[in-house]
Amino acid sequence: GESVGLHLPTLSVQEGDNSIINCAYSNSASDYFIWYKQESGKGPQFIIDIRSNMDKRQGQRVTVLLNKTVKHLSLQIAATQPGDSAVYFCAERLYGNNRLAFGKGNQVVVIP
Amino acid sequence: DAGVTQSPTHLIKTRGQHVTLRCSPISGHKSVSWYQQVLGQGPQFIFQYYEKEERGRGNFPDRFSARQFPNYSSELNVNALLLGDSALYLCASSLVRGVWGEPLNLNEKLFFGSGTQLSVL
Repeated sequence: GESVGLHLPTLSVQEGDNSIINCAYSNSASDYFIWYKQESGKGPQFIIDIRSNMDKRQGQRVTVLLNKTVKHLSLQIAATQPGDSAVYFCAERLYGNNRLAFGKGNQVVVIP
Repeated sequence: DAGVTQSPTHLIKTRGQHVTLRCSPISGHKSVSWYQQVLGQGPQFIFQYYEKEERGRGNFPDRFSARQFPNYSSELNVNALLLGDSALYLCASSLVRGVWGEPLNLNEKLFFGSGTQLSVL
């Protein structure tokens, strides 16, 4: 069953501000975590990933933090832009197999 | 370069019918996975195929089946459609299979198509 969930269903953020999206997971044996962005009418788009042996990884305007102690994953978006408006999913690769388990998603709305 | 392509984009069926959804992976990608996304939910894993063999199956009934062809394209088949099968069906491809515990391979990244929106009436 699903082991990945998100704390907040909707996040409204002013353009230019930073956004933080949180995700809790319950499968302590998962070894790989990914954030995806999904815009209306499109498939999920890869944003950034992180292995379980890391606690932070940075990309362009995005940072993923992994706290294995509390089984928490977060995505930080710097200087949020209108194009960042979308649903964001966290996903984990489950122990012993090669499938991804996705959370329910978190809607981000950027206010111009 | 073409991404993952899926056809058709939209489909309307009635209960009890059969449906076939098609997916062409990114050129050179050998692994294809299928996911079901119900409105308001995250994608749910259905199948993974790698080198034409089933490598993983999610918690879906036997009405769901799939196959992968020599050119690595794939079909998802659903028999005896139910209203609850209405969803966005996503295909994703990756260069390699990607397995838990193995060293990170950047080629494991999943690239998704735009999906087939299936409505069962």
